[in-house]
Amino acid sequence: ILNVEQSPQSLHVQEGDSTNFTCSFPSSNFYALHWYRWETAKSPEALFVMTLNGDEKKKGRISATLNTKEGYSYLYIKGSQPEDSATYLCAFLSGAGSYQLTFGKGTKLSVIP
Amino acid sequence: GAGVSQTPSNKVTEKGKYVELRCDPISGHTALYWYRQSLGQGPEFLIYFQGTGAADDSGLPNDRFFAVRPEGSVSTLKIQRTERGDSAVYLCASSLDRDNNEQFFGPGTRLTVL
Repeated sequence: ILNVEQSPQSLHVQEGDSTNFTCSFPSSNFYALHWYRWETAKSPEALFVMTLNGDEKKKGRISATLNTKEGYSYLYIKGSQPEDSATYLCAFLSGAGSYQLTFGKGTKLSVIP
Repeated sequence: GAGVSQTPSNKVTEKGKYVELRCDPISGHTALYWYRQSLGQGPEFLIYFQGTGAADDSGLPNDRFFAVRPEGSVSTLKIQRTERGDSAVYLCASSLDRDNNEQFFGPGTRLTVL
């Protein structure tokens, strides 16, 4: 059974603050790590697909890093805005040809105006 | 273009009833996946279709759950004799093919079994 952990489970930040959260996953047989943003009543939206150790990807104010040797990824949000409020999910893919995403429980972010 | 759509968005049913949940994948996507998110958990894999066939149904919890994709596009997840523990958000995703790992998700169907 693959274990994907996310922390914290939830957090509240003030508008304008920067924040980050963690996804940890098995360091063996790594293939890819996905980050999704899921707003209430909407579809989970793909943020990043990360495959290489040391990868750093950025989309606007959101960025992510990947360490496959130690099995963790960080998601950073710079200058949080109320529209960033959502649950952020990471999902692990093991092995080439794998298709079953193994998700963490998510980090629920609330940005207070 | 249109994304993955799921109907209904919400379904309330009574214990013991039969329900069907529908997924319309992105046009041209041959791979289709069902996941289930129970309260307090991350989404969990249920079943994967490549074309019309269920290539992997190892995540279906028991034989009350069944899914079809007869024409290789729309899929229906069927749950017989629903139980309160089946209450969850059922998510559908599609990808261009299995080897293209980017999965695009629908908004989910929230199933409540009373």
